[in-house]
Amino acid sequence: QVQLVQSGAEVKKPGASVKVSCKASGYTFTSYNMHWVRQAPGQGLEWMGIINPSGGSTTYAQKLQGRVTMTRDTSTSTVYMELSSLRSEDTAVFYCARYGSGKHLDYWGQGTLVTVSS
Amino acid sequence: DIQMTQSPSSLSASVGDRVTITCRASQTISTYLNWYQQKPGKAPKLLISAASSLQSGVPSRFSGSGSGTDFTLTISSLQPEDFATYYCQQSYISPYTFGQGTKLEIE
Repeated sequence: QVQLVQSGAEVKKPGASVKVSCKASGYTFTSYNMHWVRQAPGQGLEWMGIINPSGGSTTYAQKLQGRVTMTRDTSTSTVYMELSSLRSEDTAVFYCARYGSGKHLDYWGQGTLVTVSS
Repeated sequence: DIQMTQSPSSLSASVGDRVTITCRASQTISTYLNWYQQKPGKAPKLLISAASSLQSGVPSRFSGSGSGTDFTLTISSLQPEDFATYYCQQSYISPYTFGQGTKLEIE
């Protein structure tokens, strides 16, 4: 069965960086793009970007350009999302989600809480 | 960017009620519209893709319709487990924007 397992919660200081991992299993890793979505406390879903695990190409939300980097490791079927220059407004739950063949997010990770606080 | 606007933002209803949530896109997106359900502390769950395609395992009381810019999610007879927040998302073009969400609460 398809599973996306994310790394654990993080607490970071303003200005620092965080790297969240998402390990995929149960399907051919390189056959499906992966999205990242975040959700600030009590707020809605915000699309962050997408990575093609096969070639590594990425597209990021313009708002996060220059601060977000998505990478992948095909040997471990893991995608990573790194966000730099963290500020308090980046406090959120970060989700990875598989982009199904029908252009929808069909499987989601459990979420990773990143807290930015001095 | 395509803006997705849901209405209402919140909705109070009772078990057994029929409810409809609307999602409007700022430009045409054909039927590249998905609906997700999210319960507190959980990841979103895909309910409907391509505007009207019910995902496997999702109860048939959920249905979706629309094309172009206007879409609806209908729950024909609310059940206790349906009280949650619902989001639409367009998958027509990047950035793949979400609506702001509709919180469905028990009346």
